[in-house]
Amino acid sequence: DGGITQSPKYLFRKEGQNVTLSCEQNLNHDAMYWYRQDPGQGLRLIYYSQIVNDFQKGDIAEGYSVSREKKESFPLTVTSAQKNPTAFYLCASSMEARGVHNEQFFGPGTRLTVL
Amino acid sequence: GQNIDQPTEMTATEGAIVQINCTYQTSGFNGLFWYQQHAGEAPTFLSYNVLDGLEEKGRFSSFLSRSKGYSYLLLKELQMKDSASYLCAVFNQAGTALIFGKGTTLSVSS
Repeated sequence: DGGITQSPKYLFRKEGQNVTLSCEQNLNHDAMYWYRQDPGQGLRLIYYSQIVNDFQKGDIAEGYSVSREKKESFPLTVTSAQKNPTAFYLCASSMEARGVHNEQFFGPGTRLTVL
Repeated sequence: GQNIDQPTEMTATEGAIVQINCTYQTSGFNGLFWYQQHAGEAPTFLSYNVLDGLEEKGRFSSFLSRSKGYSYLLLKELQMKDSASYLCAVFNQAGTALIFGKGTTLSVSS
C-alpha cells in the first residue's frame, strides 16, 4: 500500500530535549512538507522540500530543523529553542511542488506533548 | 504577502445545503485547494480550482472567482459524517508550497 507514515502517533518529551519526528513516503513524490496545527490556528508551514538535498523555511521555521537525504524521508527535529513545541505535527507529500500535482497527501500526524 | 479568511464555525442540519466561503489575498495566483479534516485526523483533498467557475464532484462543488479573490465550497445533501473542518489553501508567493486558512468547523445535526 502506498502512503505516508508518521510515527509515533503520540510523543511525550521533557522540556529542553530535542526530539525528531519521522515521516516516510513510498509514493515516489518529489515534494514533502511539515506543518504544525494548534487549536484555532489551522495548518502552519514549518519547512518544505522540493527535491532531495534541498529544503526551504516556511512561515514558522524557528526552533525546527529538517533534512532530506533520501527521497522517501523528511524527518523534523524540534529543538529546545522552539518555545511552544506542544502541537499536532503533520507531514505531507506531493508529486511536485507546483500546479495541480501539488495535491498534498497527509500522514496521520504526531501529537507532541512537552512536559 | 498572503491572507486567507474563512468563517470559524458553521452549523447545518442533515439533508440541507451549506456554502463555506473563502476570501484570499495573494501575489501571483496559482490555484486554490479545499481540504476536509475530521477531528484528530489528517486533512484529505477535496478540490482544486485554478480557473474561474464551478467544479462539481458528487455532493461537493467548489467555485472560484479570481478577480474577486473568492472561493466557496458547496456541500449538498448534508450527512452527519460531513461534520469536520474545511480548509481553504492557496500557493505561497513562490508557488512552491500551500498556505492554509484557519479552517471552518462545520457541525451537522439531525
